[in-house]
Amino acid sequence: EIVMTQSPATLSVSPGERATLSCRASQSVSSNLAWYQQKPGQAPRLLIYGASTRATGIPARFSGSGSGTEFTLTISSLQSEDFAVYYCQQYNNWPQMYTFGQGTKLEIK
Amino acid sequence: QLQLQESGPGLVKPSETLSLTCTVSGGSISSSSYYWGWIRQPPGKGLEWIGSIYYSGSTYYNPSLKSRVTISVDTSKNQFSLKLSSVTAADTAVYYCWRGGYSINGMLYYYYGMDVWGQGTTVTVSS
Repeated sequence: EIVMTQSPATLSVSPGERATLSCRASQSVSSNLAWYQQKPGQAPRLLIYGASTRATGIPARFSGSGSGTEFTLTISSLQSEDFAVYYCQQYNNWPQMYTFGQGTKLEIK
Repeated sequence: QLQLQESGPGLVKPSETLSLTCTVSGGSISSSSYYWGWIRQPPGKGLEWIGSIYYSGSTYYNPSLKSRVTISVDTSKNQFSLKLSSVTAADTAVYYCWRGGYSINGMLYYYYGMDVWGQGTTVTVSS
């Protein structure tokens, strides 16, 4: 089973600043990685798939990069609505298996 | 606009079977470009993929739950369902249904992520 590890667990950033979230896979997943945003009491929202492609309607301040085992989600200028929990997900063997990281909580500094 | 809505009992007794249904509206579950499935989230914890289904009935399950999970589809009702048997308190969670899109280009398959989600339904396992 591929294990996804996100860091840090909690990230404190001021509005308007840049946030960088990391995700590491225990083995290569090529570019088969997605990022999701989840706010309290809401379902997750797809942000990025294919490691770097923004989903429909996602603002350009969200960007993804990486391949293989190391991935990064960058939010270029944090807005108040961006403070949430972010999950990475690998789907290298979709539809047979998907695994999520444990999440990074992005909080206001 | 496609919407998903989970429904089912919010309280299930230990050792019994949890049963949930996801109703698809604003689109057809029989589209050849999508997989459908379930994910759960225990209170205060992360996301766990439970399983996936194609409209034809092909299913894929998380190995950790495989012995207890059944996902089925009813194209006439535009619904798919989850059954989880022999539940314990560890199965208490918010259960989400989702849609995942893909396309085929020659021999290559492209997956576009889980782009539509239900609002989630809370299931508590307790006597």
